[in-house]
Amino acid sequence: SQQGEEDPQALSIQEGENATMNCSYKTSINNLQWYRQNSGRGLVHLILIRSNEREKHSGRLRVTLDTSKKSSSLLITASRAADTASYFCATDGKRNTPLVFGKGTRLSVIA
Amino acid sequence: DGGITQSPKYLFRKEGQNVTLSCEQNLNHDAMYWYRQDPGQGLRLIYYSQIVNDFQKGDIAEGYSVSREKKESFPLTVTSAQKNPTAFYLCASTTGPSDTQYFGPGTRLTVL
Repeated sequence: SQQGEEDPQALSIQEGENATMNCSYKTSINNLQWYRQNSGRGLVHLILIRSNEREKHSGRLRVTLDTSKKSSSLLITASRAADTASYFCATDGKRNTPLVFGKGTRLSVIA
Repeated sequence: DGGITQSPKYLFRKEGQNVTLSCEQNLNHDAMYWYRQDPGQGLRLIYYSQIVNDFQKGDIAEGYSVSREKKESFPLTVTSAQKNPTAFYLCASTTGPSDTQYFGPGTRLTVL
């Protein structure tokens, strides 16, 4: 069962532009995580935001969390061709159950 | 050099054969997971183990089996009962179910 759903499914932008992708979920969470996957590779953890946090930054990444709307957004500023990848959100749910991953947003950054 | 490894990177199987995918971690993580990923899709949970000698079915366990005899190892067997096994398989480990997951590089399985 997939709790997180990313939007849009695919996004194509020019290098230097900002990229925003969104994640919506259905049930209460303790934290929400974003991961990145380059084509044919494993996922890499980007950032974790806890339910009592509203915003978090890591380098060119900015994540927001709105628990009242059950949604999160990932902003990548000044995008580079190397940012081309799929981005997944993952939410925890009931106690001791595994993370649930969304279907991902495929980002293409054109040089 | 800590991390999580999967082997082989590519695997070809004839219909009717069982195959076993390897996953090893030296991160001292208690929990390990197996996911299946189809082209352009997200991750679907096959099996997970939160402690040695114990494992639970995920969302799509039919046609798969696992064992967790050692903390470091969580092999996945794709049996002949799995009707459409061609996919990309990812293994991950973590300290706890809500914590950051560390992924291996994946195994691409193709049924000929």
